[in-house]
Amino acid sequence: AQKVTQAQTEISVVEKEDVTLDCVYETRDTTYYLFWYKQPPSGELVFLIRRNSFDEQNEISGRYSWNFQKSTSSFNFTITASQVVDSAVYFCALSGGRYGGSQGNLIFGKGTKLSVKP
Amino acid sequence: GAVVSQHPSRVICKSGTSVKIECRSLDFQATTMFWYRQFPKQSLMLMATSNEGSKATYEQGVEKDKFLINHASLTLSTLTVTSAHPEDSSFYICSAREQVTGGWNTIYFGEGSWLTVV
Repeated sequence: AQKVTQAQTEISVVEKEDVTLDCVYETRDTTYYLFWYKQPPSGELVFLIRRNSFDEQNEISGRYSWNFQKSTSSFNFTITASQVVDSAVYFCALSGGRYGGSQGNLIFGKGTKLSVKP
Repeated sequence: GAVVSQHPSRVICKSGTSVKIECRSLDFQATTMFWYRQFPKQSLMLMATSNEGSKATYEQGVEKDKFLINHASLTLSTLTVTSAHPEDSSFYICSAREQVTGGWNTIYFGEGSWLTVV
């Protein structure tokens, strides 16, 4: 069975603090994809990153960085120098199964609500 | 701009009536679309996979006769909530898969539709 666990339900930080959102996944597939999405209060999903299971390089995009550790089945997301606009619910998701995860049906974690206070 | 459009973004309907939500891919043809449901403060759960020209594949526990999915063209999938009840009130979001040869099939999410049944 496939599963995504985001143990942190809510996190509250003060602006300019760094914050890491944890994501642990379970899958028996050898090929799969991992994602992070941001969901602001308006509801739409904003795509942040996609990582395939063969690429364990960490990635940095501006204030965002991701740490993919296959050995611990984790795909953690760090926001450096957080800002109020970062306040949202963040979802980690997994796509696996048939066709090596390219089907496109995602399994989402329960999300972590991040509140950044000024 | 959005490449997947959902309509309506918000809808209120009376209990017992049916409501249709549309999901359109604007710049590409989508042979496969996905419908997710999100209860307040919860994660997104895949309801069904919509395949153009064939029957949708429903996830376990999702009532086929209640949530009718039609994917009549390569750019449009519709979700009809039949005989809606207050417990059907939720955020419904679709995604569409853009077929790419030899690579990841990019997934685009719609903006979501808030359904309130009164």
